[in-house]
Amino acid sequence: EPEVTQTPSHQVTQMGQEVILRCVPISNHLYFYWYRQILGQKVEFLVSFYNNEISEKSEIFDDQFSVERPDGSNFTLKIRSTKLEDSAMYFCASKFLGLNNYGYTFGSGTRLTVV
Amino acid sequence: LAKTTQPISMDSYEGQEVNITCSHNNIATNDYITWYQQFPSQGPRFIIQGYKTKVTNEVASLFIPADRKSSTLSLPRVSLSDTAVYYCLVGGGRTGGFKTIFGAGTRLFVKA
Repeated sequence: EPEVTQTPSHQVTQMGQEVILRCVPISNHLYFYWYRQILGQKVEFLVSFYNNEISEKSEIFDDQFSVERPDGSNFTLKIRSTKLEDSAMYFCASKFLGLNNYGYTFGSGTRLTVV
Repeated sequence: LAKTTQPISMDSYEGQEVNITCSHNNIATNDYITWYQQFPSQGPRFIIQGYKTKVTNEVASLFIPADRKSSTLSLPRVSLSDTAVYYCLVGGGRTGGFKTIFGAGTRLFVKA
């Protein structure tokens, strides 16, 4: 079964540092997403990406965040200057949009710890 | 996006059938209903999707009444490994591809 792959699985970074979280979506999928989940809380939408541009973003996705699909296979989330409250699991998801096919495939996540 | 309401938690025993109901009173005509399962420290996993009536796959059934204002996920003969959080999501339509909003979900505890 095709998978969404995320690297690294864990990352510890110092406050103020930049981090890049990487994702390889399923190859024939067209829509790409980042979500995050703070420990014990619900899954929160960050951003959706389609046709090489951001299609929608949440209020969480402020100027310190950016996304990129640099080479047609990877999909990255950059956090420019990390804050303690950015500590969370970050999930990448992708979707192939077709009739009667709405399910996202999520990766296993990157646990980001900001110290 | 339609707001959903689910029970916060449910308990069950191994071998029982579990039914989790979700309310979505303001569902739009072109919205689909999708359920996900999430284990601790893992990403949500797609379980089942439907538009109306009944849908069944190898892991679950989804019952949607005619007014589509609610839906029920049915898990037959649960096991300990079905202990997880279950999310009901509404939206997307047939061509929508953008954000999906997760609610708090239902924490299912399956006991031996």
